[in-house]
Amino acid sequence: ETGVTQSPTHLIKTRGQQVTLRCSSQSGHNTVSWYQQALGQGPQFIFQYYREEENGRGNFPPRFSGLQFPNYSSELNVNALELDDSALYLCASKAGRADEQFFGPGTRLTVL
Amino acid sequence: GENVEQHPSTLSVQEGDSAVIKCTYSDSASNYFPWYKQELGKGPQLIIDIRSNVGEKKDQRIAVTLNKTAKHFSLHITETQPEDSAVYFCAPGGTGFQKLVFGTGTRLLVSP
Repeated sequence: ETGVTQSPTHLIKTRGQQVTLRCSSQSGHNTVSWYQQALGQGPQFIFQYYREEENGRGNFPPRFSGLQFPNYSSELNVNALELDDSALYLCASKAGRADEQFFGPGTRLTVL
Repeated sequence: GENVEQHPSTLSVQEGDSAVIKCTYSDSASNYFPWYKQELGKGPQLIIDIRSNVGEKKDQRIAVTLNKTAKHFSLHITETQPEDSAVYFCAPGGTGFQKLVFGTGTRLLVSP
Protein backbone atom coordinates (compact mmCIF):
# COMPACT_ATOMS: atom_id res chain seq x y z
CA GLU A 1 0.00 0.00 0.00
CA THR A 2 1.47 3.37 -1.04
CA GLY A 3 1.26 6.16 1.49
CA VAL A 4 0.66 9.85 0.87
CA THR A 5 3.25 11.41 -1.42
CA GLN A 6 3.94 15.07 -2.11
CA SER A 7 5.96 16.97 -4.68
CA PRO A 8 8.19 18.80 -4.85
CA THR A 9 10.15 18.25 -1.63
CA HIS A 10 11.55 21.76 -1.53
CA LEU A 11 10.73 24.92 -3.42
CA ILE A 12 12.09 28.46 -3.45
CA LYS A 13 10.01 31.32 -4.83
CA THR A 14 10.12 35.10 -4.71
CA ARG A 15 7.46 37.39 -3.33
CA GLY A 16 4.56 37.94 -5.72
CA GLN A 17 5.04 34.68 -7.62
CA GLN A 18 2.59 31.80 -7.79
CA VAL A 19 3.19 28.19 -6.71
CA THR A 20 1.50 24.82 -7.19
CA LEU A 21 2.06 21.94 -4.79
CA ARG A 22 0.93 18.39 -5.51
CA CYS A 23 -0.31 15.49 -3.40
CA SER A 24 -1.14 11.88 -4.17
CA SER A 25 -3.46 10.38 -1.59
CA GLN A 26 -3.06 6.97 -0.03
CA SER A 27 -4.67 4.15 -1.96
CA GLY A 28 -8.42 4.00 -1.30
CA HIS A 29 -8.57 7.49 0.22
CA ASN A 30 -10.93 10.02 -1.36
CA THR A 31 -10.67 12.87 1.15
CA VAL A 32 -7.66 15.18 1.09
CA SER A 33 -6.80 18.02 3.46
CA TRP A 34 -4.03 20.60 3.27
CA TYR A 35 -2.25 22.12 6.25
CA GLN A 36 0.35 24.87 6.64
CA GLN A 37 3.02 24.39 9.30
CA ALA A 38 5.17 27.40 10.13
CA LEU A 39 8.50 26.76 11.79
CA GLY A 40 8.09 25.70 15.41
CA GLN A 41 4.30 25.58 15.27
CA GLY A 42 1.57 23.03 14.80
CA PRO A 43 -0.08 22.49 11.41
CA GLN A 44 -2.98 24.81 10.55
CA PHE A 45 -5.90 23.62 8.44
CA ILE A 46 -6.18 25.28 5.03
CA PHE A 47 -8.99 23.31 3.33
CA GLN A 48 -10.37 19.87 2.61
CA TYR A 49 -11.59 18.19 -0.57
CA TYR A 50 -13.97 15.25 -0.89
CA ARG A 51 -14.88 13.79 -4.26
CA GLU A 52 -13.45 16.83 -6.09
CA GLU A 53 -15.44 19.37 -4.05
CA GLU A 54 -14.12 21.67 -1.31
CA ASN A 55 -16.06 20.81 1.85
CA GLY A 56 -14.23 22.75 4.53
CA ARG A 57 -11.92 25.74 4.75
CA GLY A 58 -9.78 27.29 7.44
CA ASN A 59 -8.89 30.93 8.01
CA PHE A 60 -6.83 31.44 4.86
CA PRO A 61 -7.32 34.13 2.16
CA PRO A 62 -8.73 33.33 -1.30
CA ARG A 63 -5.26 33.38 -2.86
CA PHE A 64 -4.95 29.89 -1.38
CA SER A 65 -6.93 27.61 -3.67
CA GLY A 66 -7.03 23.95 -4.50
CA LEU A 67 -8.23 21.19 -6.75
CA GLN A 68 -8.95 17.52 -6.41
CA PHE A 69 -8.84 15.27 -9.45
CA PRO A 70 -10.92 12.17 -10.31
CA ASN A 71 -8.08 9.93 -9.06
CA TYR A 72 -8.30 11.86 -5.73
CA SER A 73 -4.87 13.46 -6.08
CA SER A 74 -4.85 17.13 -5.20
CA GLU A 75 -3.15 20.45 -5.83
CA LEU A 76 -2.65 23.47 -3.60
CA ASN A 77 -2.17 26.77 -5.43
CA VAL A 78 -0.96 29.94 -3.78
CA ASN A 79 -1.01 33.23 -5.68
CA ALA A 80 0.80 36.48 -4.91
CA LEU A 81 3.23 34.83 -2.51
CA GLU A 82 4.15 36.68 0.65
CA LEU A 83 7.16 36.17 2.91
CA ASP A 84 4.87 34.73 5.61
CA ASP A 85 3.83 31.95 3.26
CA SER A 86 7.21 30.32 3.93
CA ALA A 87 6.30 27.07 5.67
CA LEU A 88 5.99 23.31 5.40
CA TYR A 89 2.84 22.42 3.47
CA LEU A 90 1.33 19.11 4.46
CA CYS A 91 -1.23 17.00 2.70
CA ALA A 92 -3.29 14.41 4.56
CA SER A 93 -5.68 11.84 3.19
CA LYS A 94 -8.37 9.60 4.61
CA ALA A 95 -11.16 7.34 3.50
CA GLY A 96 -14.37 9.37 3.24
CA ARG A 97 -15.68 10.31 6.68
CA ALA A 98 -13.19 8.16 8.57
CA ASP A 99 -11.51 9.84 11.50
CA GLU A 100 -7.91 8.74 10.90
CA GLN A 101 -5.88 11.05 8.66
CA PHE A 102 -2.51 10.12 7.27
CA PHE A 103 0.04 12.77 6.37
CA GLY A 104 2.59 13.02 3.62
CA PRO A 105 6.17 14.23 4.17
CA GLY A 106 5.35 17.79 3.16
CA THR A 107 6.71 20.40 0.77
CA ARG A 108 9.06 23.00 2.24
CA LEU A 109 8.28 26.38 0.59
CA THR A 110 10.65 29.30 1.03
CA VAL A 111 9.56 32.74 -0.17
CA LEU A 112 12.35 35.29 -0.62
CA GLY B 1 -10.73 22.12 18.88
CA GLU B 2 -10.20 25.87 18.35
CA ASN B 3 -8.07 26.79 21.40
CA VAL B 4 -5.66 23.90 22.00
CA GLU B 5 -2.75 23.99 24.40
CA GLN B 6 -0.13 21.41 25.27
CA HIS B 7 2.03 21.10 28.35
CA PRO B 8 4.91 20.88 28.75
CA SER B 9 6.40 22.50 25.64
CA THR B 10 9.61 20.54 26.14
CA LEU B 11 10.24 17.36 28.09
CA SER B 12 13.58 15.67 28.73
CA VAL B 13 13.68 12.17 30.22
CA GLN B 14 16.16 9.36 30.66
CA GLU B 15 15.74 6.19 28.65
CA GLY B 16 13.34 3.87 30.44
CA ASP B 17 11.46 6.66 32.22
CA SER B 18 7.81 7.49 31.55
CA ALA B 19 6.63 10.64 29.78
CA VAL B 20 3.26 12.35 30.02
CA ILE B 21 2.01 15.15 27.77
CA LYS B 22 -1.27 16.93 28.47
CA CYS B 23 -3.55 18.58 25.92
CA THR B 24 -6.27 21.05 26.89
CA TYR B 25 -8.96 22.14 24.42
CA SER B 26 -11.86 24.56 24.47
CA ASP B 27 -14.37 23.23 21.91
CA SER B 28 -16.90 21.06 23.75
CA ALA B 29 -18.05 19.65 20.38
CA SER B 30 -14.74 17.81 19.95
CA ASN B 31 -15.22 14.05 19.98
CA TYR B 32 -12.09 12.70 18.31
CA PHE B 33 -8.72 12.95 20.06
CA PRO B 34 -5.58 11.86 18.18
CA TRP B 35 -1.91 12.20 18.98
CA TYR B 36 0.68 12.67 16.24
CA LYS B 37 4.46 12.20 16.34
CA GLN B 38 6.57 14.34 14.03
CA GLU B 39 10.23 13.55 13.45
CA LEU B 40 12.61 16.03 11.88
CA GLY B 41 11.96 16.47 8.18
CA LYS B 42 8.85 14.28 8.17
CA GLY B 43 5.11 14.71 8.25
CA PRO B 44 3.08 13.98 11.39
CA GLN B 45 2.47 10.28 12.05
CA LEU B 46 -0.71 9.15 13.83
CA ILE B 47 0.35 7.11 16.87
CA ILE B 48 -2.83 6.71 18.87
CA ASP B 49 -6.34 8.11 19.00
CA ILE B 50 -9.44 7.91 21.19
CA ARG B 51 -13.08 8.78 20.77
CA SER B 52 -15.31 10.52 23.27
CA ASN B 53 -17.16 7.40 24.35
CA VAL B 54 -13.94 5.84 25.68
CA GLY B 55 -11.91 6.98 28.68
CA GLU B 56 -8.62 5.22 28.01
CA LYS B 57 -6.87 3.35 25.22
CA LYS B 58 -3.54 1.54 25.25
CA ASP B 59 -1.27 0.28 22.49
CA GLN B 60 1.91 -1.37 23.81
CA ARG B 61 4.01 1.41 25.41
CA ILE B 62 1.61 4.19 24.45
CA ALA B 63 -1.67 5.12 26.09
CA VAL B 64 -4.14 7.98 25.88
CA THR B 65 -6.56 9.04 28.62
CA LEU B 66 -9.51 11.38 28.14
CA ASN B 67 -11.35 13.60 30.59
CA LYS B 68 -14.12 15.11 28.45
CA THR B 69 -15.71 16.94 31.38
CA ALA B 70 -12.49 18.80 32.09
CA LYS B 71 -11.67 19.06 28.36
CA HIS B 72 -8.25 17.52 28.44
CA PHE B 73 -6.56 14.35 27.27
CA SER B 74 -3.07 13.03 27.85
CA LEU B 75 -0.46 10.94 26.09
CA HIS B 76 1.45 8.46 28.22
CA ILE B 77 4.65 6.80 27.00
CA THR B 78 6.24 4.15 29.22
CA GLU B 79 9.74 2.68 28.99
CA THR B 80 10.86 5.51 26.73
CA GLN B 81 13.51 4.87 24.11
CA PRO B 82 15.80 7.30 22.22
CA GLU B 83 13.73 6.74 19.06
CA ASP B 84 10.74 8.24 20.90
CA SER B 85 12.50 11.61 20.63
CA ALA B 86 10.33 13.83 18.43
CA VAL B 87 7.71 16.57 18.56
CA TYR B 88 4.28 15.36 19.66
CA PHE B 89 1.05 17.10 18.71
CA CYS B 90 -2.47 16.62 19.95
CA ALA B 91 -5.16 17.48 17.39
CA PRO B 92 -8.70 17.34 18.83
CA GLY B 93 -11.54 17.65 16.40
CA GLY B 94 -14.89 16.40 15.27
CA THR B 95 -15.52 13.16 13.49
CA GLY B 96 -16.44 12.79 9.84
CA PHE B 97 -15.40 15.78 7.78
CA GLN B 98 -14.55 18.05 10.68
CA LYS B 99 -11.08 19.57 10.72
CA LEU B 100 -8.31 18.81 13.18
CA VAL B 101 -6.97 21.67 15.31
CA PHE B 102 -3.38 21.02 16.27
CA GLY B 103 -1.86 21.92 19.60
CA THR B 104 1.30 23.88 20.15
CA GLY B 105 3.51 20.79 20.23
CA THR B 106 5.75 19.13 22.83
CA ARG B 107 9.37 18.37 22.08
CA LEU B 108 10.34 15.11 23.79
CA LEU B 109 14.02 14.28 24.21
CA VAL B 110 14.95 10.82 25.49
CA SER B 111 18.57 10.53 26.55
CA PRO B 112 20.34 7.15 26.52
